[in-house]
Amino acid sequence: GENVEQHPSTLSVQEGDSAVIKCTYSDSASNYFPWYKQELGKRPQLIIDIRSNVGEKKDQRIAVTLNKTAKHFSLHITETQPEDSAVYFCAASIPPPRDDKIIFGKGTRLHILP
Amino acid sequence: DGGITQSPKYLFRKEGQNVTLSCEQNLNHDAMYWYRQDPGQGLRLIYYSQIVNDFQKGDIAEGYSVSREKKESFPLTVTSAQKNPTAFYLCASSMRTGANTEAFFGQGTRLTVV
Repeated sequence: GENVEQHPSTLSVQEGDSAVIKCTYSDSASNYFPWYKQELGKRPQLIIDIRSNVGEKKDQRIAVTLNKTAKHFSLHITETQPEDSAVYFCAASIPPPRDDKIIFGKGTRLHILP
Repeated sequence: DGGITQSPKYLFRKEGQNVTLSCEQNLNHDAMYWYRQDPGQGLRLIYYSQIVNDFQKGDIAEGYSVSREKKESFPLTVTSAQKNPTAFYLCASSMRTGANTEAFFGQGTRLTVV
């Protein structure tokens, strides 16, 4: 079945620096790759997503890149701020008829240091 | 708040008892999911349903059961066969993933078995 590996499990960066979180997926049929942010005690919420027909997508300080050949995608956060501290999850989705589920990575706990 | 509601927020049960967690959505979503969240383990898929009266096992279905009698509801029963049931449980829903769209999460239920 589909497997999503996420690294690192914990990441500490100085405020204002950039943070990069990397994920790989196993099933080449995956075609949708969302990123979720979970603040302490809250539910995960979508922050950005990318589809397999696109190589890069940006939304203000957040960007995601996708390398379909390597089955690798990454989240980039620039000019980090204290409110960026949270757990971030990558995910991959396989469309029907093969499958119809969303598989998540194990998460990255991001600490923004003052 | 997000259109998907889990109840209760906290649940305590004695070992050996079955317990049912509620999940209701008013987003008219076809797909619904149950995930278990443990520290360092990310979000692990328990069961998912793409349509009423149909559901599939996820990666850790043993000791759990579900039903999907209505589009809006996807209750999860944690049975006495689940060896380590204490965890945080998240329900999610999305449009049928042929469109590969965002998953919306409930606020979660923290189950403690004593």
